[in-house]
Amino acid sequence: QSALTQPASVSGSPGQSITISCTGTSSDVGGYNYVSWYQQHPGKAPKLMIYDVSNRPSGVSNRFSGSKSGNTASLTISGLQAEDEADYYCSSYTSSSPWVFGGGTKLTVL
Amino acid sequence: EVQLVESGGGLVQPGGSLRLSCAASGFTFSSYSMNWVRQAPGKGLEWVSYISSSSSTIYYADSVKGRFTISRDNAKNSLYLQMNSLRDEDTAVYYCARSGRGDYWGQGTLVTVSS
Repeated sequence: QSALTQPASVSGSPGQSITISCTGTSSDVGGYNYVSWYQQHPGKAPKLMIYDVSNRPSGVSNRFSGSKSGNTASLTISGLQAEDEADYYCSSYTSSSPWVFGGGTKLTVL
Repeated sequence: EVQLVESGGGLVQPGGSLRLSCAASGFTFSSYSMNWVRQAPGKGLEWVSYISSSSSTIYYADSVKGRFTISRDNAKNSLYLQMNSLRDEDTAVYYCARSGRGDYWGQGTLVTVSS
């Protein structure tokens, strides 16, 4: 049940696009199309932003998009806004447990 | 409106026990699998346990296996986590989350294990 690998931090200016990667193995990210992304503001509960690799729940801005190539999934945020500043976590179904999370990425909007 | 409300957290000594509850409303609770996820202070998310809609399938993270027990009461729209033999490293905010994709989360309840 090893955690997925995410960069500790990323940053971007308003209006720019950023991408956060999430690297696993063929037993999790690479083996299933069950990757999700969550946004968490300080002191708040996580919010689902992307599920099943690239699907957006109702109400989530289309500035958020997800993709996957091999064992690495990615979250892209376009048209960066100040309110996007938060921690982002990826997760995946795995062959040995229903859920494993990435270590989290702190997004700073400059 | 989907709502998940956790309760039961608090301060407990190492080796002690605690039972968390998660009250669900706004959806057909008996149709959804549920999870417990925790977050230690200043740390990332850690999946703790999963229970299927009918309680027929249950999983635990290695870190809590043999010490924690997940259960649910579909008649009461409630999810539970019985935590025994608590350790310092179990200190965290505990969230309940709906379904295998975590589409809804509660606000969390803080468990502090300290002497």
